[in-house]
Amino acid sequence: EPEVTQTPSHQVTQMGQEVILRCVPISNHLYFYWYRQILGQKVEFLVSFYNNEISEKSEIFDDQFSVERPDGSNFTLKIRSTKLEDSAMYFCASSEGAGPVYEQYFGPGTRLTVT
Amino acid sequence: AQSVTQLGSHVSVSEGALVLLRCNYSSSVPPYLFWYVQYPNQGLQLLLKYTSAATLVKGINGFEAEFKKSETSFHLTKPSAHMSDAAEYFCAVSDNTDKLIFGTGTRLQVFP
Repeated sequence: EPEVTQTPSHQVTQMGQEVILRCVPISNHLYFYWYRQILGQKVEFLVSFYNNEISEKSEIFDDQFSVERPDGSNFTLKIRSTKLEDSAMYFCASSEGAGPVYEQYFGPGTRLTVT
Repeated sequence: AQSVTQLGSHVSVSEGALVLLRCNYSSSVPPYLFWYVQYPNQGLQLLLKYTSAATLVKGINGFEAEFKKSETSFHLTKPSAHMSDAAEYFCAVSDNTDKLIFGTGTRLQVFP
């Protein structure tokens, strides 16, 4: 069964460093998402992406964050200058279409630890 | 603004016992409601979803949830717990946009 994959599973970085989290969505999906979960808190929506553009983003997704689909298979989340409060589990998801009628398929997550 | 509240961060049941995981929602528009499950080291997997077709929704692995507008609830149940049901369960709501708004999750433990 097709699945969303994410690499790395765990990333440790120092404050101020740039990180890139990678995701490979399901191949025929057109809509892509990033969510994050700070330990002990809710899973929070960050951004949705379609047709090489951001469709929607949350207040969390400030100028330090960017997303890109650099080729036909990868979908990346970049944090330019990491802060301690960026430590979280980051989930990538993809779906065939837009809106809640279409299931979002989630990857296993990347645990980002900022020291 | 939409939100969901999951009552109980941890729920423990014996194998064979009823599973009840609680979720209450807040929404200014007719909501779409979801339950996701996360097994260790895996992504979130959709268990079931409510899209206004029927108030009792059946999902995978024997789970079901009932939408009760009067109580603004969407509790998840399973008549008989199995050891393999041990996981983290997330309730989520959508207002017909792309984003899902999740609760804090409930960790289900099943004892033999």
